[in-house]
Amino acid sequence: ETGVTQSPTHLIKTRGQQVTLRCSSQSGHNTVSWYQQALGQGPQFIFQYYREEENGRGNFPPRFSGLQFPNYSSELNVNALELDDSALYLCASSPSGTGELFFGEGSRLTVL
Amino acid sequence: GESVGLHLPTLSVQEGDNSIINCAYSNSASDYFIWYKQESGKGPQFIIDIRSNMDKRQGQRVTVLLNKTVKHLSLQIAATQPGDSAVYFCAENSAGYSTLTFGKGTMLLVSP
Repeated sequence: ETGVTQSPTHLIKTRGQQVTLRCSSQSGHNTVSWYQQALGQGPQFIFQYYREEENGRGNFPPRFSGLQFPNYSSELNVNALELDDSALYLCASSPSGTGELFFGEGSRLTVL
Repeated sequence: GESVGLHLPTLSVQEGDNSIINCAYSNSASDYFIWYKQESGKGPQFIIDIRSNMDKRQGQRVTVLLNKTVKHLSLQIAATQPGDSAVYFCAENSAGYSTLTFGKGTMLLVSP
């Protein structure tokens, strides 16, 4: 059984650019959540997808968007990047109906 | 207590000591709590969870205590080892959704 995998592991962008981060959920998990973790902080909830629909959203602007695919994998898209978007982006999957999240290793985004 | 920015609360212990990491949560409606361990450059790793109908739960070398009256959670690690060195986060969940609210974290440093 494979765990949650994310790509890319590291990337550098400049202000105003767009970025797409990818996540493959753990086998059997149909719910995917994305979190942003700034340096020295706890992860902050961005949004969650269940059966390809957004199923909850945190306090993030609309330029943060996402997708979930029929195989439960997911993408996080961020448009018009700002310096403060520099962070570790974590994907977590969970079985339906439980609160236990299994995290990937994250994608570290640096915006210059 | 907790701090903001890059200054995480830090607990320094000697190998073999018992460690206690504390967390105050904010939402009295939260009914599920999890402790995560995060090593440098990695995603959060599940340690132990507890539901609000319990006040204590034990795992292997770890115990979580929940005091709902004062909204306090603690993680006890017995016979702490150097491999336990990491940042520890408590997280709370309410409404039965797999959406977690994380605290700011505590860094545990274990000296051999």
